[in-house]
Amino acid sequence: DAKTTQPPSMDCAEGRAANLPCNHSTISGNEYVYWYRQIHSQGPQYIIHGLKNNETNEMASLIITEDRKSSTLILPHATLRDTAVYYCIVMTGNQFYFGTGTSLTVIP
Amino acid sequence: EAQVTQNPRYLITVTGKKLTVTCSQNMNHEYMSWYRQDPGLGLRQIYYSMNVEVTDKGDVPEGYKVSRKEKRNFPLILESPSPNQTSLYFCASRLLASSTDTQYFGPGTRLTVL
Repeated sequence: DAKTTQPPSMDCAEGRAANLPCNHSTISGNEYVYWYRQIHSQGPQYIIHGLKNNETNEMASLIITEDRKSSTLILPHATLRDTAVYYCIVMTGNQFYFGTGTSLTVIP
Repeated sequence: EAQVTQNPRYLITVTGKKLTVTCSQNMNHEYMSWYRQDPGLGLRQIYYSMNVEVTDKGDVPEGYKVSRKEKRNFPLILESPSPNQTSLYFCASRLLASSTDTQYFGPGTRLTVL
């Protein structure tokens, strides 16, 4: 059973915020949420992670709902180089469970 | 340069012929892991290792073996490859107890089993 559910694809206009949702309704209290992205078939690249609180770094913001059943990755000002597949991941113990990803296309 | 390397990058083999895909990292990371990626299924974890001589099964370990004799190396062994193991394989390493807790991924190995 999938631990995360993501929409298969999304478009975003260049310069606008991209909001990528993820559903993880069966998440347990000690399981972290991670986001990675993959460009073409390169190795995935870390973006951000969190447990309960919202997080922000130089790449993105992560908003986790109070019940922790869903989260949203926000890329504040999307550029063409942000076109990639974005994976929402649950880490339980030291195992990582990737979702099937959202293919984000940033449109000029 | 900090990196994870995998060899070979591409491999075509036949059913039943044992093969090893090597993975090496130069960041002194305790944690290493193998994933396979198939169309429509995202990445699935095969095995992971928390440190030397410590390995654990991931989500899809059947048909694979690993070993961790040295901290920097984590080879993936297919004793008797089958066509359903045709996939894109990624190795990753991670520094435990790090504030960023980032997994660094290798460039991938594309394996075809005929």
